[in-house]
Amino acid sequence: DQQVKQNSPSLSVQEGRISILNCDYTNSMFDYFLWYKKYPAEGPTFLISISSIKDKNEDGRFTVFLNKSAKHLSLHIVPSQPGDSAVYFCAASGLAQGGSEKLVFGKGTKLTVNP
Amino acid sequence: NAGVTQTPKFQVLKTGQSMTLQCAQDMNHNSMYWYRQDPGMGLRLIYYSASEGTTDKGEVPNGYNVSRLNKREFSLRLESAAPSQTSVYFCASSAYRGRSYEQYFGPGTRLTVT
Repeated sequence: DQQVKQNSPSLSVQEGRISILNCDYTNSMFDYFLWYKKYPAEGPTFLISISSIKDKNEDGRFTVFLNKSAKHLSLHIVPSQPGDSAVYFCAASGLAQGGSEKLVFGKGTKLTVNP
Repeated sequence: NAGVTQTPKFQVLKTGQSMTLQCAQDMNHNSMYWYRQDPGMGLRLIYYSASEGTTDKGEVPNGYNVSRLNKREFSLRLESAAPSQTSVYFCASSAYRGRSYEQYFGPGTRLTVT
């Protein structure tokens, strides 16, 4: 049972245009959502997050939108740059035992930004 | 500031062999995690440790054991490696600050079991 879904395995956009990466989740108990970026042969790095009490969070060229009623979030990158080419993972968070949080990851979307 | 370090970076094992993957963090984080990444499967949680002295199973714990040696170190052991354990393994850590969720990942260990 996949709780976090990224239905597009890949996305290709032109440099300077907008990239929109989508993510759906099924568990309404998730209360925090994150996007991670991963380059080949490196570990994932945190990009941006959003609390379930918000519907938008912006950080420079990156904006995450959350639609709780639809259980859907999206990452917008404007303008897209070739260095943004990477795999993007959507993750959802809920409290685990002992007070830590567990992240549930989607399968990732490979973004290619063409010069 | 090294962050999260993992050793080794690469390893080839034969079926049935055992090995331990090492992970250490220097950020004084309470929580640590082990994930595996397989093509088309995203990141799946194997085990996690909320704090020193505690460990819990994640989504795919079978065939693995873990040890939280101290606050800095969290190791993952394969007692009898199987080809299905061929994967890239990532260690991560995070700080518990009420509702802090950001996890920091190591560079990964690429394991091949033949």
